[in-house]
Amino acid sequence: NAGVTQTPKFQVLKTGQSMTLQCAQDMNHEYMSWYRQDPGMGLRLIHYSVGAGITDQGEVPNGYNVSRSTTEDFPLRLLSAAPSQTSVYFCASSYETSSSGANVLTFGAGSRLTVL
Amino acid sequence: GQNIDQPTEMTATEGAIVQINCTYQTSGFNGLFWYQQHAGEAPTFLSYNVLDGLEEKGRFSSFLSRSKGYSYLLLKELQMKDSASYLCAVRGGDYKLSFGAGTTVTVRA
Repeated sequence: NAGVTQTPKFQVLKTGQSMTLQCAQDMNHEYMSWYRQDPGMGLRLIHYSVGAGITDQGEVPNGYNVSRSTTEDFPLRLLSAAPSQTSVYFCASSYETSSSGANVLTFGAGSRLTVL
Repeated sequence: GQNIDQPTEMTATEGAIVQINCTYQTSGFNGLFWYQQHAGEAPTFLSYNVLDGLEEKGRFSSFLSRSKGYSYLLLKELQMKDSASYLCAVRGGDYKLSFGAGTTVTVRA
């Protein structure tokens, strides 16, 4: 059982380049999300999905796109990278989130992105 | 929006007790989580509170007071491996999870 798998672990981009961070989970979780983590700011929600074919914006969506064509995969696309997008990105999933149950988020190992 | 505050850093001695406080102001409330994050790694789940009171799990306990918008994580019998960041996260009325900036705990021998 692999859990949440993110690739790549490290990436260096030049300003204006595009790229996709991959995220896959094998736990049959309905809910998937992307966070970015910056020093002193905590984890901030970029985009999330409550099921295949459904996505929505989080707190900091600008400059990022997502899609959810299958339950397992939730890629994050940077359309035109900017230095402000230098960060550590985490994908996380849970069974669902629309109740008061624990519904613990399981995180991937993270992707460290540097934009020059 | 959500406002979640926790101290930036704390230092304690091996074998001691440390209490990490978290205060929050949110639009609605559907639970509070504590996660542990070692340097360079992913956050991992520690505890969950949705009702007032204390939840105990081995050396770790978490307390919640909804009326005060307050929680704490208590780490007992500190070990060197407990050196990590501890993240307080609140699920608001829209069921989205918002995180505090984290508290870095350093355990000294």
